[in-house]
Amino acid sequence: AQSVAQPEDQVNVAEGNPLTVKCTYSVSGNPYLFWYVQYPNRGLQFLLKYITGDNLVKGSYGFEAEFNKSQTSFHLKKPSALVSDSALYFCAVRDYEKLVFGTGTRLLVSP
Amino acid sequence: GAVVSQHPSWVICKSGTSVKIECRSLDFQATTMFWYRQFPKQSLMLMATSNEGSKATYEQGVEKDKFLINHASLTLSTLTVTSAHPEDSSFYICSATGLQTPNTGELFFGEGSRLTVL
Repeated sequence: AQSVAQPEDQVNVAEGNPLTVKCTYSVSGNPYLFWYVQYPNRGLQFLLKYITGDNLVKGSYGFEAEFNKSQTSFHLKKPSALVSDSALYFCAVRDYEKLVFGTGTRLLVSP
Repeated sequence: GAVVSQHPSWVICKSGTSVKIECRSLDFQATTMFWYRQFPKQSLMLMATSNEGSKATYEQGVEKDKFLINHASLTLSTLTVTSAHPEDSSFYICSATGLQTPNTGELFFGEGSRLTVL
C-alpha cells in the first residue's frame, strides 16, 4: 500500500527564515505526491503536486517541493517564511483514486 | 479551480439524534466523492468512497450503518450520522473528483463540517 510519513509533529521557524517540512514516501510504482495546507476549522487547500517531470515543483503561496527518488522524499520548502504560513501541512500520496495522508506537521512561524 | 461546498459548517446535536452533512460540487460533476474524518490534532482518516449511483465503499473499521453515505446525483453526496453519540464528535471533510475537473490528480476539498454531539 502507498504511504507517506511526516516525521515532525511541529516545525518552528522565525519569520523571514527558510522553512522545510519533511515528507518521505513508500510506494509501489511511480508516486503521485501532494502537499495540502489546513487552517483552523477549514478544509484542505492544495499547494502543489508531483506527477512526473522536474524534481523541483513550484506551487501556491511561494511554496515548492523537491522530489528525491533516491531518498524517497518530497520535502516542502519556502525560502522566506511568513507568520501567515502558520498552519497544519499534510503530505499525501495517490493510491488509485484515493489520497492517503501523512499525520500532518504543524508549522509555527514566529514574528 | 473546482469548488466543493459543505453544509453545515457547524452542527450541534443531542445524543441519539441523526445529523446529515451535505457535500456539493458547484462547478463540476463529481463522479467520486470521499468522506474523511479528522480527530483533534490528528490526520485525516478516510471513511468511505462514494460513486454516483452506487453504494459507498467503506474503509475497514467504519460502521456503514452508523455513517450512511448517499451519492444520488453527480453534484451531491450526503453523510448521515445516525443515532449520534459524543464519540462521533469530529470534523468531517468531503472531497471530490470528476470528469470535468482538470486531469491533474489532486482532489478538491470542502471546508469541513464540525459536529458536536452533546
